[in-house]
Amino acid sequence: NAGVTQTPKFRVLKTGQSMTLLCAQDMNHEYMYWYRQDPGMGLRLIHYSVGEGTTAKGEVPDGYNVSRLKKQNFLLGLESAAPSQTSVYFCASSYFRDRGPTEAFFGQGTRLTVV
Amino acid sequence: EDQVTQSPEALRLQEGESSSLNCSYTVSGLRGLFWYRQDPGKGPEFLFTLYSAGEEKEKERLKATLTKKESFLHITAPKPEDSATYLCAVQAGSSASKIIFGSGTRLSIRP
Repeated sequence: NAGVTQTPKFRVLKTGQSMTLLCAQDMNHEYMYWYRQDPGMGLRLIHYSVGEGTTAKGEVPDGYNVSRLKKQNFLLGLESAAPSQTSVYFCASSYFRDRGPTEAFFGQGTRLTVV
Repeated sequence: EDQVTQSPEALRLQEGESSSLNCSYTVSGLRGLFWYRQDPGKGPEFLFTLYSAGEEKEKERLKATLTKKESFLHITAPKPEDSATYLCAVQAGSSASKIIFGSGTRLSIRP
């Protein structure tokens, strides 16, 4: 199994440009997440989805949009990139049980630089 | 406010020198605590889930424990390949938005 696959792995954008990050999982997980990781700040949740066709905001959603048209895919869009969005982005997926989300499986990350 | 704090930020050990990493938390209702390992340039990799105080889990040289206020990741006789950043995450409710990550402990094992 491939697990969680993110594309692209690296990208450099100019301020104001737009882009879409793609995440695909082959584990039939209900939950999918987008996180950003910045030095000294840990992983912060941007948006998440509890199932096909549903999305919700996380801790730091401003400047990002998401879509989950298919259960296996979760897209993260930046409409007008800003230098503050320079970060490493991780997609993750998990099951949901009675206690809540189970452990997450992460992709390899996308290193985005906005100049 | 729900909070997760990991200490120390960085730890350097000699091969074979056992130690512990700490994850302290203040949340209104703990549903679960997760430990992950992250290698440079890669995504976090799941290690353990703990659900209630007193619970312990082991995997090779690692052992995770949980109390009502903190969790420890004990590493026994570490090897250089155990060098990584170890992340702790707390699930403070049933919603996915209630998963809070600590900033991690960067562990380095010298041969």
